[in-house]
Amino acid sequence: DADVTQTPRNRITKTGKRIMLECSQTKGHDRMYWYRQDPGLGLQLIYYSFDVKDINKGEISDGYSVSRQAQAKFSLSLESAIPNQTALYFCATSALPGQGNTGELFFGEGSRLTVL
Amino acid sequence: GENVEQHPSTLSVQEGDSAVIKCTYSDSASNYFPWYKQELGKGPQLIIDIRSNVGEKKDQRIAVTLNKTAKHFSLHITETQPEDSAVYFCAAGAFEGGADGLTFGKGTHLIIQP
Repeated sequence: DADVTQTPRNRITKTGKRIMLECSQTKGHDRMYWYRQDPGLGLQLIYYSFDVKDINKGEISDGYSVSRQAQAKFSLSLESAIPNQTALYFCATSALPGQGNTGELFFGEGSRLTVL
Repeated sequence: GENVEQHPSTLSVQEGDSAVIKCTYSDSASNYFPWYKQELGKGPQLIIDIRSNVGEKKDQRIAVTLNKTAKHFSLHITETQPEDSAVYFCAAGAFEGGADGLTFGKGTHLIIQP
């Protein structure tokens, strides 16, 4: 089984609909992240969380919200989806850098969202 | 903030030849430079990283070099094989800050021609 699991893997929706992408992890990491990938634009950080009570905005948080329901679960919501939110979304986890950890990111396999 | 430029966007090489991908960064405070490989339909995976206290690091056919003065770092893949075909991302940031402080390049699509 994958260490970082994203659901759904693919979703097609219409403009204005509410969408939730879910992420769960079995790595035991405190840190979780949501990234957006667009062709030719690399990986852009949307939100991140260092523990259940901690939520932080990344570089492109507008139009998105997140919920950290448990140490192992971090969900991303689009309250009212729009076509320019069509992209590939990745959840990732990491340990705190130091004490033998590099802060390596462990990514899920991605959720492809299409907003019509 | 940090700005990372990555070149080329697409690189096609013959199987067995070497491939080099280059990145530049802007923030002299950055001291951690990882490289991620993304295979088709999968999430990125760390393949090698380097910290600013060393100039070069090797792992079998993969090496990364860092020039702090010029603020650039490069990924070198020797004896390329079909399984090296993927998108490669460089990143730069402060090691102590963790992944939230990383800035990624836009990616290089490496194509290995048989």
